[in-house]
Amino acid sequence: EPEVTQTPSHQVTQMGQEVILRCVPISNHLYFYWYRQILGQKVEFLVSFYNNEISEKSEIFDDQFSVERPDGSNFTLKIRSTKLEDSAMYFCASSEVGANYGYTFGSGTRLTVV
Amino acid sequence: DQQVKQNSPSLSVQEGRISILNCDYTNSMFDYFLWYKKYPAEGPTFLISISSIKDKNEDGRFTVFLNKSAKHLSLHIVPSQPGDSAVYFCAASAYQGAQKLVFGQGTRLTINP
Repeated sequence: EPEVTQTPSHQVTQMGQEVILRCVPISNHLYFYWYRQILGQKVEFLVSFYNNEISEKSEIFDDQFSVERPDGSNFTLKIRSTKLEDSAMYFCASSEVGANYGYTFGSGTRLTVV
Repeated sequence: DQQVKQNSPSLSVQEGRISILNCDYTNSMFDYFLWYKKYPAEGPTFLISISSIKDKNEDGRFTVFLNKSAKHLSLHIVPSQPGDSAVYFCAASAYQGAQKLVFGQGTRLTINP
């Protein structure tokens, strides 16, 4: 069964450092997403990406965040200057036709900012 | 801003019995609803969805019911199996072709042998 692959599974970084979280979506999917889940809280939408541009973003996704599809397979989330409150599980997802038919999520990257 | 609410943080059910997970929403613009299941150290897995033009959708042991007037949906699992033990998330989107899903807080389901 096709998978969304995320690396690394766990990243520890110092406050103020830049981090890049990497994802390989399913190859024939056209829509890509990042979500996050702070420990004990709900899964929150960050951004969606289609046709090489951001199609929607949440208020969480401020200027500290950026996404990129640098080649035909990878999809990355960059946090420029990490804060303690960025500590969370970050999930990448992809879908063929949008949200309503279900995304396929990756296993997540646990980001710990110290 | 809790547009999608799952008021039960946990539920314990005996194997073979019915599990009923509930979800309420406040945004009347939502017209598509989904259930996801999550095991520890894995991402959420899509289970079943329902459009607002329906009141029931069934897939094997899983049935989702939608009551639009009450802004309430539920997921029924019957019969419950030990492998169903996981966290279940309700999610909603606002229009056909929407990109963003709004998730509830999740309900941890434990199936006891």
